[in-house]
Amino acid sequence: DTEVIQTPKHLVMGMTNKKSLKCEQHMGHRAMYWYKQKAKKPPELMFVYSYEKLSINESVPSRFSPECPNSSLLNLHLHALQPEDSALYLCASSQDLIEAFFGQGTRLTVV
Amino acid sequence: AQSVTQLDSQVPVFEEAPVELRCNYSSSVSVYLFWYVQYPNQGLQLLLKYLSGSTLVESINGFEAEFNKSQTSFHLRKPSVHISDTAEYFCAVSDYGTDKLIFGTGTRLQVFP
Repeated sequence: DTEVIQTPKHLVMGMTNKKSLKCEQHMGHRAMYWYKQKAKKPPELMFVYSYEKLSINESVPSRFSPECPNSSLLNLHLHALQPEDSALYLCASSQDLIEAFFGQGTRLTVV
Repeated sequence: AQSVTQLDSQVPVFEEAPVELRCNYSSSVSVYLFWYVQYPNQGLQLLLKYLSGSTLVESINGFEAEFNKSQTSFHLRKPSVHISDTAEYFCAVSDYGTDKLIFGTGTRLQVFP
């Protein structure tokens, strides 16, 4: 199984809402990532977890809060987002960065 | 820090014609290089990768890329494109020993019949 599963596929939320994005992989990969991708732009790295510990935070605003409950799961908790946070959020996993597997993404719209 | 440059934001080409998508990276001691493809409203799929060894790497669907250390390039080529190759292509680089994958700005390949 080489799949990274992201849920939900689409999410519409208000600026006062709290929601979570979920990511799951069962490849035994030690690293998991969150990327943000705006339309017609490349993915931008947000967070990296390595062995369930946060190893990289690319100066992401605190309204985005990552969580890694176990080696297979990665969450991104969202609170008080702004319309400019609307984007495709991609999760990826990798054992040693030789090959990163990406999920299909969650299309987030903040209204 | 590593950076990646994709000089062409769009490449229009007719079906069955050859194509080259250009990618240059900033110099480093050791790098891993990748090409990812993204179809509309989908995630990224790894197309091919260079880690070490042979400088010419190939994918299963006819694409190939050549690592050129002296020119710090990793251009993607296909001798004959299909309509189904229409997609966004991202070149990416990682520094050996880091967890960061740095993407170029992408090249939109549009194949016309």
